[in-house]
Amino acid sequence: AQSVTQLDSQVPVFEEAPVELRCNYSSSVSVYLFWYVQYPNQGLQLLLKYLSGSTLVKGINGFEAEFNKSQTSFHLRKPSVHISDTAEYFCAVSGGGTSYGKLTFGQGTILTVHP
Amino acid sequence: SQTIHQWPATLVQPVGSPLSLECTVEGTSNPNLYWYRQAAGRGLQLLFYSVGIGQISSEVPQNLSASRPQDRQFILSSKKLLLSDSGFYLCASPSDSGANVLTFGAGSRLTVL
Repeated sequence: AQSVTQLDSQVPVFEEAPVELRCNYSSSVSVYLFWYVQYPNQGLQLLLKYLSGSTLVKGINGFEAEFNKSQTSFHLRKPSVHISDTAEYFCAVSGGGTSYGKLTFGQGTILTVHP
Repeated sequence: SQTIHQWPATLVQPVGSPLSLECTVEGTSNPNLYWYRQAAGRGLQLLFYSVGIGQISSEVPQNLSASRPQDRQFILSSKKLLLSDSGFYLCASPSDSGANVLTFGAGSRLTVL
């Protein structure tokens, strides 16, 4: 079984400040990891993904995340946030293989960027 | 490119009434489709997935059912809605960038009163 824990339910930051949204996971098999963003009343948009290879992955809108297997973490970072980054962010894990497409999501982190 | 259509976008229904949410997919060769639900204050939960016409797997026991009458169509239904069925329902399909990456539709928001 897999699980995902997003350690912060809400993260308020000021514009142009750096931000880190934390995500820890547990899984008994090799995993694929994802961060999705959801703007109000919209579906989910993929920010970035880790499938294999380099543990530092870069995504859209200047976000990046680092896969740390020993700490079972996949924290999302951005060096300088903008007002338009205000949204809810979801970390997700998939076991791949026959379970591909079956994502286990965290509870979400609401990022609010203040002017 | 891949497009996922969901309707209705918003729905308010009384307890005990039936439900039908529809999802259609264009521009993909991968046959798998998924229904996820996002309840208030909670993350997303996989409800059903389908690998082809007439093939449905349920991930959690619930008051809902799903059907796949056509290759590009995935329907979520209920005969009698409960208050706990309220939520944001998202249809998803494997994206062009890989089977492990999902593309989501815009969602259907259901409020049961």
